Amino acid sequence: ETGVTQSPTHLIKTRGQQVTLRCSSQSGHNTVSWYQQALGQGPQFIFQYYREEENGRGNFPPRFSGLQFPNYSSELNVNALELDDSALYLCASSLRAGVRRETQYFGPGTRLLVL
Amino acid sequence: AQTVTQSQPEMSVQEAETVTLSCTYDTSENNYYLFWYKQPPSRQMILVIRQEAYKQQNATENRFSVNFQKAAKSFSLKISDSQLGDTAMYFCAFMKPLNTGNQFYFGTGTSLTVIP
Repeated sequence: ETGVTQSPTHLIKTRGQQVTLRCSSQSGHNTVSWYQQALGQGPQFIFQYYREEENGRGNFPPRFSGLQFPNYSSELNVNALELDDSALYLCASSLRAGVRRETQYFGPGTRLLVL
Repeated sequence: AQTVTQSQPEMSVQEAETVTLSCTYDTSENNYYLFWYKQPPSRQMILVIRQEAYKQQNATENRFSVNFQKAAKSFSLKISDSQLGDTAMYFCAFMKPLNTGNQFYFGTGTSLTVIP
């Protein structure tokens, strides 16, 4: 089975710009979660998508939005970038069924730098 | 709101020895899940072990085991026979299942170094 993949691996943007990050979930998984991990910190939950709908959200402003597609891949969009948005963005997929439900499998992340 | 606390920012252990990483959490929920994840320098987060709160038996995965104390809201990770490849950042995580979606909370991590 294929693992979780993310693109791009690194990205540099300037303040005020918009960015789109992409995630392909592990084969057979129907749920995708996004996290922001600032340097030296633990991941902070942004939101989760299940069957193409947002299904849980952390304490992030509306300029953080997402999509999930019929093939369960996902995008994270961030508008009006701020310097504090510089972080590693992690995507995690899971299968909301079965014995191992809710166990998440993480991608390698996208490192975003906002200048 | 749920919080997850890892009070040991850094730890080290001699190869082949045993080390315990601490984690406490705060919640009013009764149904939840707890996880330990490992993040090596390559940065990909890897699941180490998982515990359902309704299970009294502590989870075990090979050299990794947990001490889950529900009343004390404590969830420590024990690594036996430490290996050089265990060097990584370790994160404790709490998950609250909701009908409207699941909420995940991570601690700030413990950096573990295994010394040859």
